[in-house]
Amino acid sequence: QVQLVQSGAEVKKPGASVKVSCKASGYTFTGYYMHWVRQAPGQGLEWMGWINPNSGGTNYAQKFQGRVTMTRDTSISTAYMELSRLRSDDTAVYYCARELDYYDSSGYQKAFDIWGQGTMVTVSS
Amino acid sequence: QTVVTQEPSFSVSPGGTVTLTCGLSSGSVSTSYYPSWYQQTPGQAPRTLIYSTNTRSSGVPDRFSGSILGNKAALTITGAQADDESDYYCVLYMGSGFWVFGGGTKLTVL
Repeated sequence: QVQLVQSGAEVKKPGASVKVSCKASGYTFTGYYMHWVRQAPGQGLEWMGWINPNSGGTNYAQKFQGRVTMTRDTSISTAYMELSRLRSDDTAVYYCARELDYYDSSGYQKAFDIWGQGTMVTVSS
Repeated sequence: QTVVTQEPSFSVSPGGTVTLTCGLSSGSVSTSYYPSWYQQTPGQAPRTLIYSTNTRSSGVPDRFSGSILGNKAALTITGAQADDESDYYCVLYMGSGFWVFGGGTKLTVL
């Protein structure tokens, strides 16, 4: 079945970097954009950006520009999100989510349809 | 900076109907924003309910529906059940590859 499986929890010190992986299965990895969304404890969802697994092109939310890097390895159907210069307020669950994007008789359809299970990243000294 | 607005909390009686909304700090939400809705329970990943305003995701019961009401996107739950008690998030596509989530609505069924 279609699924996204993320890497395990991480504990990092302030100033360090973290790299979270998201392995796709059950579909053509290069056919769908992959987004990253985070959720701080007790807070809402926050969109971080996306990567086009086919071209490697990326688009980042302004808030994360300069600190986030999204990459992919098509040979193993895996997307990565690396966040650098970590701060305590980067403590959050990080999700990958596949973008559904197609056109049908009802018009253009667009959403996040498949989500990873989430990866907890804790930033603490 | 565009802010997507949602009611922080809402309550509904079992069997009742509730409509949650998703608006913009400036301007109106239209179908061009491809509003979508997600349900999240504590400790779980979000679950996709509705996308592109009113398309129900696979396996989602038809008591969940989406629409545009006035200048906002709306999620209506008809015949609320106890396990509908969750956080609900909308997200809007702002164009040029950018998306913004609303702050979420905590729905209580009591």
